[in-house]
Amino acid sequence: DTAVSQTPKYLVTQMGNDKSIKCEQNLGHDTMYWYKQDSKKFLKIMFSYNNKELIINETVPNRFSPKSPDKAHLNLHINSLELGDSAVYFCASSRGVDSNQPQHFGDGTRLSIL
Amino acid sequence: GENVEQHPSTLSVQEGDSAVIKCTYSDSASNYFPWYKQELGKGPQLIIDIRSNVGEKKDQRIAVTLNKTAKHFSLHITETQPEDSAVYFCAAIGGGADGLTFGKGTHLIIQP
Repeated sequence: DTAVSQTPKYLVTQMGNDKSIKCEQNLGHDTMYWYKQDSKKFLKIMFSYNNKELIINETVPNRFSPKSPDKAHLNLHINSLELGDSAVYFCASSRGVDSNQPQHFGDGTRLSIL
Repeated sequence: GENVEQHPSTLSVQEGDSAVIKCTYSDSASNYFPWYKQELGKGPQLIIDIRSNVGEKKDQRIAVTLNKTAKHFSLHITETQPEDSAVYFCAAIGGGADGLTFGKGTHLIIQP
């Protein structure tokens, strides 16, 4: 069983479109995250949610809006997609809000903007 | 905020030899240091972690050491095998529900 699952795995779309990426975890974790990995493989935190509430919102354009309908899901909606949004987006989850809890990652969504 | 430096960016070793990857961090409040392995087309997979109250931790062929005074930590892989080839990331995290701050990754290549 996949612990952290993301859909879709690949997303190819035109500049200016709006798209969503879904994430679900079946680990019973309270905290979920979105990370962005650029073409040089650099991983950077975007958002963190704990029990459906936003905890971290790094310097991310407000075109990116996370939505957490329940603590097992954290979706990422992106408006007006730009070329620079092309990257791999990873969802992760961890138990509780303690900083020393292991984070478990999904296999990523590769977003390509044409 | 936290800054994590990782070296080397690429490491090539002969199968059976040991590999060492080093990281430094800047925030003395950081208290958790995981290591991730990322294979092509996959997400980062946690392979070992260490907390700030421990100096060393070992799991079979993998070990991690932490020097809090010097603010550096290292990953040691012994008896390397072809399946160890991947990109390895170190990370650090401070208090609260923070996101991980990652190093820039090390591409480990195991030569047969």
